[in-house]
Amino acid sequence: DIVVTQSPDSLAVSLGERATINCKSSQSVLYSSDNNNYLAWYQQKPGQPPKLLFYWASTRESGVPDRFSGSGSGTDFTLTISTLQAEDVAVYYCQQYYRTPITFGQGTRLEIK
Amino acid sequence: EVQLLESGGGLVQPGGSLRVSCAGSGFSFSGYALSWVRQVPGKGLEWVSTISGSGGSTYYADSVKGRFTISRDNSKNTVSLQMNGLRAEDSAVYFCAKGPSSSSWLADWGQGTLVTVSS
Repeated sequence: DIVVTQSPDSLAVSLGERATINCKSSQSVLYSSDNNNYLAWYQQKPGQPPKLLFYWASTRESGVPDRFSGSGSGTDFTLTISTLQAEDVAVYYCQQYYRTPITFGQGTRLEIK
Repeated sequence: EVQLLESGGGLVQPGGSLRVSCAGSGFSFSGYALSWVRQVPGKGLEWVSTISGSGGSTYYADSVKGRFTISRDNSKNTVSLQMNGLRAEDSAVYFCAKGPSSSSWLADWGQGTLVTVSS
């Protein structure tokens, strides 16, 4: 199975500042035949299901604010929130879908400093 | 609007069985793979099972293989997860989620149904 590891486990950032969450897969999730990275990002707020933010590592889902960005390739990926808003407090997960079983990172809890 | 509505959760004794279901609406049901993902409250996400749009292909996590069975009825727009031989470690919120293929991102999620395995 592909192991997906996020860092840090928790993060406290001041309002208006940048937040960066990292995701590392145990093997490359870049598929050479289509040059796509098989990685997604989700946001989960308390009492709610996860919400898709990005797929193909950097393709923003409709309705996701552009202060969110996804980047990276191969085994190393980053979710960045350029200017943190109060409503961004949540747990963030990355997920690889390169190979079954699909696997999730352990989650990163983002709080306001 | 895409909607996924889970039902069937509850309290069951260890070794018992339970069937959870998910009703979909607002999309072409047979055109999408459907998955079950579970989450122990306060913990992370664990993929459980996926079924292709036609129902012809199914996939399971090792932790549930041989005990859980996923199925779908495209005429009724429902997907179900039959859970047998339940263990305490199967206790979780079970989410139904929709993706474009059997191994893909999950674009839409239901609100989840809680399964508790306890004597």
